[in-house]
Amino acid sequence: GAGVSQTPSNKVTEKGKYVELRCDPISGHTALYWYRQSLGQGPEFLIYFQGTGAADDSGLPNDRFFAVRPEGSVSTLKIQRTERGDSAVYLCASSQGQGQPQHFGDGTRLSIL
Amino acid sequence: ELKVEQNPLFLSMQEGKNYTIYCNYSTTSDRLYWYRQDPGKSLESLFVLLSNGAVKQEGRLMASLDTKARLSTLHITAAVHDLSATYFCAVAFYGGSQGNLIFGKGTKLSVKP
Repeated sequence: GAGVSQTPSNKVTEKGKYVELRCDPISGHTALYWYRQSLGQGPEFLIYFQGTGAADDSGLPNDRFFAVRPEGSVSTLKIQRTERGDSAVYLCASSQGQGQPQHFGDGTRLSIL
Repeated sequence: ELKVEQNPLFLSMQEGKNYTIYCNYSTTSDRLYWYRQDPGKSLESLFVLLSNGAVKQEGRLMASLDTKARLSTLHITAAVHDLSATYFCAVAFYGGSQGNLIFGKGTKLSVKP
């Protein structure tokens, strides 16, 4: 595909459960970003990968959140022991490198009941 | 603290009128982006502004950047209904290992006939 692909598009789960959100970046893009967007707000940075390594994870809210990008392409955002406050749209973006324009996926709408 | 402030947050316009959205940011930046977001959709890149005095235009939208004042503007000329959306400015800070964008809260624009 030509753009950033995120799956699932919607996820509904119960409080306390574990979830995984997937991001497939644009082919060849070395930089990958995760953001979280709450209703009526702008996206908030979570974590940034350059290749396989997390170059900046300062936006992760606590240790329940974790992300990996083992082969430098697809990334998975993992949330343990979900809480109702985790409900938001999780956006993934990729770019050709640091400083290059970021291209966003359609997001995963996560709802914690 | 890195801050990006947009105003107004809500804007209701009549078709054919002109208006400006303002974006102030708190510290030196490498670049500034404007994005458009339609309800339930992801972010569409509109403009990237790289240097002081940069001006870019696309259709009825024109963006400018004043790095000394840490201010960007998005000017709307002769608004049409199709411009109704939420507009975000986002600032890139590349000190250290950071590669992320800091977003404003967005300006929700409604253009009425």
